[in-house]
Amino acid sequence: SSELTQDPAVSVALGQTVRITCQGDSLRIFSASWYRQKPGQAPELVIYNESDRPSGIPARFSGSRSGNTASLTISGAQAEDEADYYCNSRDTNRIHVVFGGGTRLTVL
Amino acid sequence: VQLVESGGGVVQPGGSLSLSCATSGFSLRAFTIHWVRQAPGKGLEWVALVSGHGHNKFYADSLKGRFTISKDDYNVFLQMHGLSFEDTATYYCVKEHMTGWPNLEHWGQGTLIAVSS
Repeated sequence: SSELTQDPAVSVALGQTVRITCQGDSLRIFSASWYRQKPGQAPELVIYNESDRPSGIPARFSGSRSGNTASLTISGAQAEDEADYYCNSRDTNRIHVVFGGGTRLTVL
Repeated sequence: VQLVESGGGVVQPGGSLSLSCATSGFSLRAFTIHWVRQAPGKGLEWVALVSGHGHNKFYADSLKGRFTISKDDYNVFLQMHGLSFEDTATYYCVKEHMTGWPNLEHWGQGTLIAVSS
C-alpha cells in the first residue's frame, strides 16, 4: 500500500512564507489534496487536485507537486494559520485513500 | 451542505456500534461519501467509502472486515463489530468534492467512539 510522509512540525515567523511537504510514491501518479485542522475542529479542505483552492480559502494558500513530493505553501503566514495540516492522495494500486501523518504548523 | 454524525459513545471491547450520518443540501445519489477517523491526539485515517449509487464500497485494510458501510437516500451508515481499543477515535463523515476522490470537501463535526472496559 502507499504511504505519505510529512514532517511532524514546522514553524514560520508571522508574515513569512512556509512550505509544508508530503512525500510518497503515489504522488508520482496522483495529485494531492491538503487539509487544515484547528484544535477541536473538523479538518477543512484548503487545496484539491494539487493546486486548486476551494471557495473561501485565501489566496495565500497554494499547492504544487514535483516528482514524488507535493507541497503546500502559505505566503505571508497569519496567526490563524497555526494548525495541523494533512495531505492525502489515492493509493497507487487500489481504490483507497491515504493520508500523511500531519504537520503541526506554529506561527511565531 | 450538511453532514451530521450520530451514534457514538462508549462500548466494551468486542462490542458493536452503528454510526449514522444524516446528509442535507445535496443529492446523496450524486456523491461518494467517506468515513475518516482520528484517534485522540493522532492523525487522520481513512476508513471506508461508498459510491453515490451505493454499489461500490471500499475499506481500509486495517479494519480486517469488521466494518460495513451502507447508505439510503439521505443517510450513510457505518456498522462496526469486534471493536478494540485501537478503534477509539472521532469518526467523521465526509462528502467528496465534485471533482471526485480523494478531494474531501465537506466534513461533519464528528462523533466520538470510546472503546473501554
